Amino acid sequence: KQEVTQIPAALSVPEGENLVLNCSFTDSAIYNLQWFRQDPGKGLTSLLLIQSSQREQTSGRLNASLDKSSGRSTLYIAASQPGDSATYLCAVLMDSNYQLIWGAGTKLIIKP
Amino acid sequence: EAGVAQSPRYKIIEKRQSVAFWCNPISGHATLYWYQQILGQGPKLLIQFQNNGVVDDSQLPKDRFSAERLKGVDSTLKIQPAKLEDSAVYLCASSPRNTGELFFGEGSRLTVL
Repeated sequence: KQEVTQIPAALSVPEGENLVLNCSFTDSAIYNLQWFRQDPGKGLTSLLLIQSSQREQTSGRLNASLDKSSGRSTLYIAASQPGDSATYLCAVLMDSNYQLIWGAGTKLIIKP
Repeated sequence: EAGVAQSPRYKIIEKRQSVAFWCNPISGHATLYWYQQILGQGPKLLIQFQNNGVVDDSQLPKDRFSAERLKGVDSTLKIQPAKLEDSAVYLCASSPRNTGELFFGEGSRLTVL
């Protein structure tokens, strides 16, 4: 059974720092991995999608990597800003049944 | 391109009453998901449709929740009768078959008193 873990559960850093959020999964038979952002009281916004054949995706200050063999993905945020404060969730889409398995999220606070 | 549309955005009801939520996915997206998200927790899948067929409803409390997706397009999620613990945000998402990328609506926030 696939398990997705996000560490840390919460992170607080000063503005301007580069930071890394981690997502690990136990079953490498995935179709893709997706990173989402959720602001309080809002829906989920897709940040980056990495297909199983890809190693990384970039969008602006965000870079997500995928290492299927080790069951890990990282979301790198460069030059963090207070507006980056949100909860970040990763989710893997399983190859076998198209089921989406979620991590519990990392709550990120960027201090001005 | 229009996003996933959900309504209503907010609903307050008393326990034992019924409520229905509506979702219109992005045009052409074959897969539609309904999630329940309780404050402070990650999304919990309630039901997943592929076109108008159910792929996974293993976590749907079928004694009180029901969902349908007529003609493989829009979908409704109904709760009858509601309980206090149903207070949550109900999120609808859709994805195209080729990429599997999920796009979410803004959600419907339910408060059961």
